[in-house]
Amino acid sequence: DTGVSQDPRHKITKRGQNVTFRCDPISEHNRLYWYRQTLGQGPEFLTYFQNEAQLEKSRLLSDRFSAERPKGSFSTLEIQRTEQGDSAMYLCASVPQGTNTEAFFGQGTRLTVV
Amino acid sequence: AQTVTQSQPEMSVQEAETVTLSCTYDTSESDYYLFWYKQPPSRQMILVIRQEAYKQQNATENRFSVNFQKAAKSFSLKISDSQLGDAAMYFCAIGGVGGNKLVFGAGTILRVKS
Repeated sequence: DTGVSQDPRHKITKRGQNVTFRCDPISEHNRLYWYRQTLGQGPEFLTYFQNEAQLEKSRLLSDRFSAERPKGSFSTLEIQRTEQGDSAMYLCASVPQGTNTEAFFGQGTRLTVV
Repeated sequence: AQTVTQSQPEMSVQEAETVTLSCTYDTSESDYYLFWYKQPPSRQMILVIRQEAYKQQNATENRFSVNFQKAAKSFSLKISDSQLGDAAMYFCAIGGVGGNKLVFGAGTILRVKS
């Protein structure tokens, strides 16, 4: 399968715990995006990498959130001290080089904070 | 800032008939791209159709076509000969030229009746 892969698909955690999600983009894509989608809403942009450089972060990304893409390949999104409001679907998308080409989405990681 | 509004939370269509999903947007950019994405239940989001704002001609992809009214900032999706497999959440989105950060609407659930 050469699509965007996200792991885990589902995560249930207790409030206050830390969680980390992984995204493996399509191998030749140099751009990678994280979005958050709450129930009944469209995805909201969180952050964006071009290769290993994090070029933009949304104000939605509080200091409890951190994202990395250390070698310009896979990316991780960590949430520290989770809160119930963090419960959402976290989507990753990768995009090839070029002017506004298609974003390819993964199936997402559904986080439930109890 | 860019915003996208989808005013129809839910739509229904009879199999083989035509349905139109509405989308309006706002942007201060002179050049941008508009997208319709489909998100089937528990599956990843896939691109349905894309429109470059500088092109006057409406995009078409098989049974899917758009009505792009730039002055009115309107971008509706028409699905002809609706099929059961078209049932999904549909998101309208806008992206800038410089990067592929997308701003999504809240989505429209499309139900297809047999």
